[in-house]
Amino acid sequence: QTVVTQEPSFSVSPGGTVTLTCGLSSGSVSTSHYPSWYQQTPGQAPRTLIYTTKTRPSGVPDRFSGSILGNKAALTITGAQADDECHYYCVLYVGSGIWVFGGGTKLTVL
Amino acid sequence: QVQLVESGGGVVQPGRSLRLSCVASGFSFSTYTMHWVRQAPGKGLEWVAVISHDGSNKADADSVKGRFITSRDNSKNTLYLQMNSLRDEDTALYYCARDLIGVTGAPHWGQGTLVTVSS
Repeated sequence: QTVVTQEPSFSVSPGGTVTLTCGLSSGSVSTSHYPSWYQQTPGQAPRTLIYTTKTRPSGVPDRFSGSILGNKAALTITGAQADDECHYYCVLYVGSGIWVFGGGTKLTVL
Repeated sequence: QVQLVESGGGVVQPGRSLRLSCVASGFSFSTYTMHWVRQAPGKGLEWVAVISHDGSNKADADSVKGRFITSRDNSKNTLYLQMNSLRDEDTALYYCARDLIGVTGAPHWGQGTLVTVSS
């Protein structure tokens, strides 16, 4: 069974930069996994931040960026703000029509 | 603008069935792959199922395989999730989502509908 791994929690200082990662229990993440990233605040539906590795929807600030770093997908947030404090989820396509979400990262800005 | 509106959630006893709907507007529904994703209370997101734009290809998570059936009616711009043999662990907020790859436009999510399985 494929497991997608994310850091359970991360902290960043206001104005700082943080990189969250999304890995696979077996193997490396590539663009063929179509990694996407979602932001979720309590009580709200997920919001798409990044899709297809690094594409940002209109309306998402350019301080959010996606990439492949080593063997993982990565979401980098620069100039962290207080309202960036929430949960971040990645999802990967693992083949045969199947997608798997990571467990999510709770980001604290302090 | 793109809109996805789920409905059909509620309280249901274990072993019973429920059908969720997701009505789409603001885009050409019949050209998009659609997904169901769920979130148990206080937990993370879990991918449930996918259906291709014309309904000819489907896939679902092991946790729902053989119990949940995804379908769509492109003439009604509506996605469905037929949930059978419901279990306590199916309790969750169920979201429909448009095309997680984002072939022609960013993935978009509905607001979800809550399913509670309880005796």
